[in-house]
Amino acid sequence: NAGVTQTPKFQVLKTGQSMTLQCAQDMNHNSMYWYRQDPGMGLRLIYYSASEGTTDKGEVPNGYNVSRLNKREFSLRLESAAPSQTSVYFCASVANARDRAVSQPQHFGDGTRLSIL
Amino acid sequence: GEDVEQSLFLSVREGDSSVINCTYTDSSSTYLYWYKQEPGAGLQLLTYIFSNMDMKQDQRLTVLLNKKDKHLSLRIADTQTGDSAIYFCAESQGYSSASKIIFGSGTRLSIRP
Repeated sequence: NAGVTQTPKFQVLKTGQSMTLQCAQDMNHNSMYWYRQDPGMGLRLIYYSASEGTTDKGEVPNGYNVSRLNKREFSLRLESAAPSQTSVYFCASVANARDRAVSQPQHFGDGTRLSIL
Repeated sequence: GEDVEQSLFLSVREGDSSVINCTYTDSSSTYLYWYKQEPGAGLQLLTYIFSNMDMKQDQRLTVLLNKKDKHLSLRIADTQTGDSAIYFCAESQGYSSASKIIFGSGTRLSIRP
């Protein structure tokens, strides 16, 4: 089925370890996003990529890096994990920023549940 | 700064209407959205409304926008057990690649038999 695929679904890390969260979409969408979801706080944007080859910081970028490897893939890296990064991470994509609201919903993956001990 | 606020919980009886409310602060919002999140899943866009509209209806869903009061609501008619989920209100400004969607903290809707 077409959509946004995130791997892994669950991960436990120790403080200081590094990890890359993978995201891929097969809808030929231009823009991709990484969010984190914490209890009682909704979703907060970490980084986004408006198109292949570009990335920009969102609301909470500290402690993260991203790579837009190609049009399909957008990865999120934690270089030195901290307990404050325990969260559920969602990747999303849209065809392009203009179509986002008009005709193309923002497609979300099912999330990666990350715990940092 | 931008802020979107929702109440955390709502409980309704099966068959009744549910009304989920949201307030936002940014008067330059161009689109407002409602998303649904079921347990263990990502967000699903339910509906959206452009800021120059007052109302939008889509089957059991009715969105009302009061731009003067910066108030958005989602009414679900004939609420069913399958409607149990967290509902997020969100807003964005403009079309540029720099625009982003700001989410509320979500309202958990539970259905009583």
